[in-house]
Amino acid sequence: KQEVTQIPAALSVPEGENLVLNCSFTDSAIYNLQWFRQDPGKGLTSLLLIQSSQREQTSGRLNASLDKSSGRSTLYIAASQPGDSATYLCAPLTGANSKLTFGKGITLSVRP
Amino acid sequence: NAGVTQTPKFQVLKTGQSMTLQCAQDMNHEYMSWYRQDPGMGLRLIHYSVGAGITDQGEVPNGYNVSRSTTEDFPLRLLSAAPSQTSVYFCASSYTGGGQETQYFGPGTRLLVL
Repeated sequence: KQEVTQIPAALSVPEGENLVLNCSFTDSAIYNLQWFRQDPGKGLTSLLLIQSSQREQTSGRLNASLDKSSGRSTLYIAASQPGDSATYLCAPLTGANSKLTFGKGITLSVRP
Repeated sequence: NAGVTQTPKFQVLKTGQSMTLQCAQDMNHEYMSWYRQDPGMGLRLIHYSVGAGITDQGEVPNGYNVSRSTTEDFPLRLLSAAPSQTSVYFCASSYTGGGQETQYFGPGTRLLVL
């Protein structure tokens, strides 16, 4: 059974700081891994999708890496802004039912 | 495109009542799924569908029914609501559910069962 861990549960940083959010998973037989953003009381917004054959994916100030063999992914946020404050969830996709297994998320607060 | 839409946004039920959570997508996606999100538990898969007429159970299917009569719609039915079903429910979709595709989520339905 796939298990996903995101540590720490919460993170507070000053504006402008570069930061890394970590995600680990137990079953390396994944098809892809998605990073999502969730604002309070809202749905999930997909940020980046990394295929199992890829090592990293970039979108603007965001860069996600994937090391499938070690069961790890990181989301790098450059020059953080208060608008980046949200909960970030990672979810590897496994199995014939295309199941996403979610971590509990990291709640990020960027202080002005 | 409206993407993935869900109705209602919020619902209060009494124990034993039944209701249907609606989910629709206008992206011609074959794969649709339902998740529930609970504090401290993360999101868990309830049911999923790989196309019209085909549904299957996910991780936590008990107490829920689904059907898929059209490509666009994937309703989730609570047969007899229980307080343990208080949660936020999300519907998601993608083209085929395959490994190269982003899954898109709806805004969620908050359900409170008293």
